[in-house]
Amino acid sequence: AQSVTQPDIHITVSEGASLELRCNYSYGATPYLFWYVQSPGQGLQLLLKYFSGDTLVQGIKGFEAEFKRSQSSFNLRKPSVHWSDAAEYFCAVGSTNTGNQFYFGTGTSLTVIP
Amino acid sequence: DTEVTQTPKHLVMGMTNKKSLKCEQHMGHRAMYWYKQKAKKPPELMFVYSYEKLSINESVPSRFSPECPNSSLLNLHLHALQPEDSALYLCASSSRDRDLAKLFFGSGTQLSVL
Repeated sequence: AQSVTQPDIHITVSEGASLELRCNYSYGATPYLFWYVQSPGQGLQLLLKYFSGDTLVQGIKGFEAEFKRSQSSFNLRKPSVHWSDAAEYFCAVGSTNTGNQFYFGTGTSLTVIP
Repeated sequence: DTEVTQTPKHLVMGMTNKKSLKCEQHMGHRAMYWYKQKAKKPPELMFVYSYEKLSINESVPSRFSPECPNSSLLNLHLHALQPEDSALYLCASSSRDRDLAKLFFGSGTQLSVL
């Protein structure tokens, strides 16, 4: 069965510091992997996605993620965090086997301190 | 137009009320979804419509009744809800069945059941 694990429930970083949010997945085939960001009371905004090809994926807002098949990971990174990056971040794996289904991780809440 | 529009943005209803949530997209997408999201939790899939036909129902209580009157519109009819049904309800659409390359989420309807 497909599953997504985000080990860090909450992360606090200083503005300007680098950021890495962890995501591990369990999936039988080559997965479709996504990172979404969500501000309070808002919908989900897609940051980036990986389907195939280059394992380093560039996204919006200066984010990038690297797919590592050997580690079953898809960690999100940003070299310098801005206060506006404070939000909830969800990693997701997509499956087309039984219709389009998304499996979301439990999320990581990011706090940015001045 | 690359938006999924949800109305209303906020809804407060009593347990005896009947209300409806509306979702609209004009991207020609043929798969549409309803998700439920409690605070600080990941979205949970409720229903999937593919080509206006219900393809997935994740054992959702009958007090939630989805409807897809045409390829652009998705409704969620609510009746006799419970306070624990208070949540953010997200609509999403994708270009076609088994295509996760273009999946868009709306901003959601924040529902409070009193």
